[in-house]
Amino acid sequence: IVMTQSPVTLSVSPGERATLSCRASQSVRSDLVWYQQKPGQAPRLLVYDSSTRATDIPSRFSGSGSGTDFTLTISSLQSEDSAVYFCQQYNGWPLTFGGGTYVEI
Amino acid sequence: QVQLVQSGAEVKEPGASVKVSCKASGYTFTGHHLHWFREAPGQGLEWMGGIQGGSGATKYGKQFQDKITMTSDTAISTVYMELTRLTSDDTAVYYCARVAVAGRGYFQHWGQGTLVTVSS
Repeated sequence: IVMTQSPVTLSVSPGERATLSCRASQSVRSDLVWYQQKPGQAPRLLVYDSSTRATDIPSRFSGSGSGTDFTLTISSLQSEDSAVYFCQQYNGWPLTFGGGTYVEI
Repeated sequence: QVQLVQSGAEVKEPGASVKVSCKASGYTFTGHHLHWFREAPGQGLEWMGGIQGGSGATKYGKQFQDKITMTSDTAISTVYMELTRLTSDDTAVYYCARVAVAGRGYFQHWGQGTLVTVSS
């Protein structure tokens, strides 16, 4: 299953909203997660099952979608949100990731 | 708390092999799968395969089946990932990770990453 993310780079001012997209080449139902990754760090789980926030993730992160089209919304961006965001499907093997969206504050 | 601690950076020549370890703590090692991923320079994450900590049962990605071996040592709660016939394309940061919930394919817990550089 090929995962395609857009845009590749997103430049946003502090306090604004960021909307990231992820599209699957076939339906993955709601078996989709979003990770945040900062330079030199391992990925951090943000959202699973398309829309459920992981433990200790701020409420400004929200996920939506099912089937083939998914969205991660970061409302009221903060400086620490500058990172690469990846989606990953776990509906089928092999597990596959999108190419990432770099959010620049 | 769950912790995954990986072995240190490696530099290998083309054609050599590398073995990276991932020591787990903070949970029942035999009750979960651990998976391996890699991130090549300027590229995204790639799933390589997974191993059940207790039984040692493995599942490998098709593109790695001829060159990867994952093993588990329950006595020291450690899994290993060995990659053979290295080429420059294998230069990457390698991560181990544990699923957030048994049976679900997403990952809450990650190792710190191990940089493997393949260069002559």
